[in-house]
Amino acid sequence: AQKITQTQPGMFVQEKEAVTLDCTYDTSDQSYGLFWYKQPSSGEMIFLIYQGSYDEQNATEGRYSLNFQKARKSANLVISASQLGDSAMYFCAPERGDTGRRALTFGSGTRLQVQP
Amino acid sequence: GAVVSQHPSRVICKSGTSVKIECRSLDFQATTMFWYRQFPKQSLMLMATSNEGSKATYEQGVEKDKFLINHASLTLSTLTVTSAHPEDSSFYICSAKDPRGNTEAFFGQGTRLTVV
Repeated sequence: AQKITQTQPGMFVQEKEAVTLDCTYDTSDQSYGLFWYKQPSSGEMIFLIYQGSYDEQNATEGRYSLNFQKARKSANLVISASQLGDSAMYFCAPERGDTGRRALTFGSGTRLQVQP
Repeated sequence: GAVVSQHPSRVICKSGTSVKIECRSLDFQATTMFWYRQFPKQSLMLMATSNEGSKATYEQGVEKDKFLINHASLTLSTLTVTSAHPEDSSFYICSAKDPRGNTEAFFGQGTRLTVV
């Protein structure tokens, strides 16, 4: 089974500062996608950012960026200029399975709390 | 707006009864949908892959006779929890990917099931 490790169960960050959330995974797939989702207390899953394993550049989406190191199977999420609304659970989720039917496997998550 | 709609958002049922949860893709046709379960303070766990026009694929340890999945059309998948017990109380959430090249996996709003 695919194993995803998010070593930080909880993180605190001051408003306006940057924070890095760690994620490592194992996969035998040569081509795969790597997602990060945010889950506020409402339970909805909010897509943040996607990295394809063959993308040469690290993905960026607004204040979110990925520090993707394929050889190390690491895809850390960097949130810049943290806002109070960023307080939530964050999940790293590599894809698995056959192309076209790839399910996501979620890590244990990191609870981020942004302090004023 | 939401591109995957899940209904109901909350349901309370008595032990022994069955509950049906619907997951609809609103803007695209989804041959594959995924059902996840999330217990409090835990991560999302894949339960099954719903395949339009064929049988669902269940993850190891998930009882297919208890969690009935029907994917009768390209925009609707249903999960029926049969003979529900209190231990089935959980947050159930579906997802689907737009096959038109979009990499994002869209999630429904989730269903919080409480069995009393």
